[in-house]
Amino acid sequence: EPEVTQTPSHQVTQMGQEVILRCVPISNHLYFYWYRQILGQKVEFLVSFYNNEISEKSEIFDDQFSVERPDGSNFTLKIRSTKLEDSAMYFCASSERLSGEQYFGPGTRLTVT
Amino acid sequence: AQKVTQAQTEISVVEKEDVTLDCVYETRDTTYYLFWYKQPPSGELVFLIRRNSFDEQNEISGRYSWNFQKSTSSFNFTITASQVVDSAVYFCALSEARGSAAGNKLTFGGGTRVLVKP
Repeated sequence: EPEVTQTPSHQVTQMGQEVILRCVPISNHLYFYWYRQILGQKVEFLVSFYNNEISEKSEIFDDQFSVERPDGSNFTLKIRSTKLEDSAMYFCASSERLSGEQYFGPGTRLTVT
Repeated sequence: AQKVTQAQTEISVVEKEDVTLDCVYETRDTTYYLFWYKQPPSGELVFLIRRNSFDEQNEISGRYSWNFQKSTSSFNFTITASQVVDSAVYFCALSEARGSAAGNKLTFGGGTRVLVKP
């Protein structure tokens, strides 16, 4: 069964460093998303991506964040200068159709020290 | 703005008991979609069900059932004859339909932690 994959599973970085989180969505899906979950809290939307451009972003998704689909398979989230409060689990998701169910990857746990 | 509320933060049951999770949502849209996701201790988010706002037919799938009441803006979820493997955090989520090609973000509730004891 197709699934969303994410790498790395855990990333530890120092404050101020750049990180890139990688995702491979399900191959025939057209809509891509990033969410984050701070430990013990709710899952929060960051950004949605369709047709090679951002379709919506949340207030969290400020200038420090960017997304890219560099080739036909990968979907990346870059944080340019990490802050302590960026420590969270980051989930990538994809869906085949608009308003369809979103399938989530296993997440990348980002720890900023 | 859309909002999802799961008033129960934690529910503890003994195996084989039924457990019902409450979800109340707010939206100004007439067309929207509701979801339940399960997050087991391993951390991944597992899709369980999707319902659109025009489909109030309740459904049973194995030990899971859902009760969608548009009049009260509720989308409750029941696990019948719970098992230890059902122990997880369960999230209710809402997506508003958009006419544009923009992807529809999910707005999640705070989650309900279910602990099933043997």
